[in-house]
Order: sequence, then C-alpha cells, then structure tokens
Amino acid sequence: GAGVSQSPRYKVAKRGQDVALRCDPISGHVSLFWYQQALGQGPEFLTYFQNEAQLDKSGLPSDRFFAERPEGSVSTLKIQRTQQEDSAVYLCASSLVVNTEAFFGQGTRLTVV
Amino acid sequence: AQTVTQSQPEMSVQEAETVTLSCTYDTSESDYYLFWYKQPPSRQMILVIRQEAYKQQNATENRFSVNFQKAAKSFSLKISDSQLGDAAMYFCAYVRNSGNTPLVFGKGTRLSVIA
Repeated sequence: GAGVSQSPRYKVAKRGQDVALRCDPISGHVSLFWYQQALGQGPEFLTYFQNEAQLDKSGLPSDRFFAERPEGSVSTLKIQRTQQEDSAVYLCASSLVVNTEAFFGQGTRLTVV
Repeated sequence: AQTVTQSQPEMSVQEAETVTLSCTYDTSESDYYLFWYKQPPSRQMILVIRQEAYKQQNATENRFSVNFQKAAKSFSLKISDSQLGDAAMYFCAYVRNSGNTPLVFGKGTRLSVIA
C-alpha cells in the first residue's frame, strides 16, 4: 500500500480481555516502531523491529505487552489481560532505514472498559 | 537519555498571521535529526519539516520554517500566513544518527487558528 495501515482503527475491550493490533508498514521499509499515545500526550516508544528482529523492547510497560513481526513485514502488538490504564492510541510507524523519516499509520484507539 | 520539551501546551493564531512554536531538547550527541510532526484530529502524524544537526542553514518548507540553534539546543517552528487547516497538535521530535534508536517526542502544542 501507499502508506502505513493499522487495524482496527477503534477497539473496545473489556478489562481482562486480550487484544491484537495490526500494523502493515510501507512495503520495503526495514524499520518498524510501535508507540503508545495517551490522551493529550506525545507518543511514547514501546518497541522497535529491524526486519523480523525485535531490537529494542525497552518501552513495553509490562510483560502483558508482546509484539512480533515474524516475516519482517506485518507486525502485531498483543496486549494480554487488558487494564484500564492500557487505554490509549497505539501508533505504528515505519522507515526505510532506522534514524530517517518515519511514516505513521492512523493509529488504533484502544478503550478498556 | 534524550529529552524533548515543548513548553507551550496551547497556542492560538489569527488566520493569515504568523506563529512560532517552541521546542528545546537535551542530548550529548552531536549528530542527530530534528523533526516537527503535525497531528490533526484524524490522528495521522504528518511530517512537517526536518533538520539535520550538521546543517547550519535552517530548513524551510513553503510556509513552514525552523530556527535551529544548536548551541542552545533549541528548535522552533514558524508558521507563516496561518491557515485554518494548520489547526492541529504539533510535536517536536529528535533522533540521533547512530545506533538503533527511535524518535523521542515532546508532549506537543495544540495550535488553534482563529478565522
């Protein structure tokens, strides 16, 4: 596709439910990032992939958060046993190589009730 | 750790006027990039302008320009001839030009444009 695509755009989950958020990066982009954006805040880094390798997961807030990119293209961010504090917009970005311009998707707004 | 600070949570500007958004950052690196991103209500982060730290000349993109002061670690965005479509959240971001490091964002400035 022409841009970074994220699905679903909106997700409402009951507390304790598992969710999976999908990111389709721009074709050929090596680097893929996940960010969490709380209401009224800037994006906070969660994790980073270079191709299929997860090189940095220091931003994942707990072991309930898990991300994968098994074939070096599509990535999934999974949150287990969701809590209310997980409510946020989850942004995915990709770049041709690391440290260059990142292109963002429209994000998934997760609401945990 | 690198940090990015945007000290203006909200700004407003009259249509056709000029507004400047402030950003400061803290780093011990000498080689890095700085960006301004725009985020309208659609949530799509759109790159507005980019500055390489090794370039002394300030970047310009049509109505958008920056004032990059490397010694002061300041990177402000000037929007000239403001338009209603400029209303959005604006985020300043930093990334160093070495290693596998992600963008670091400020908390953003909400810009309102008054007709």
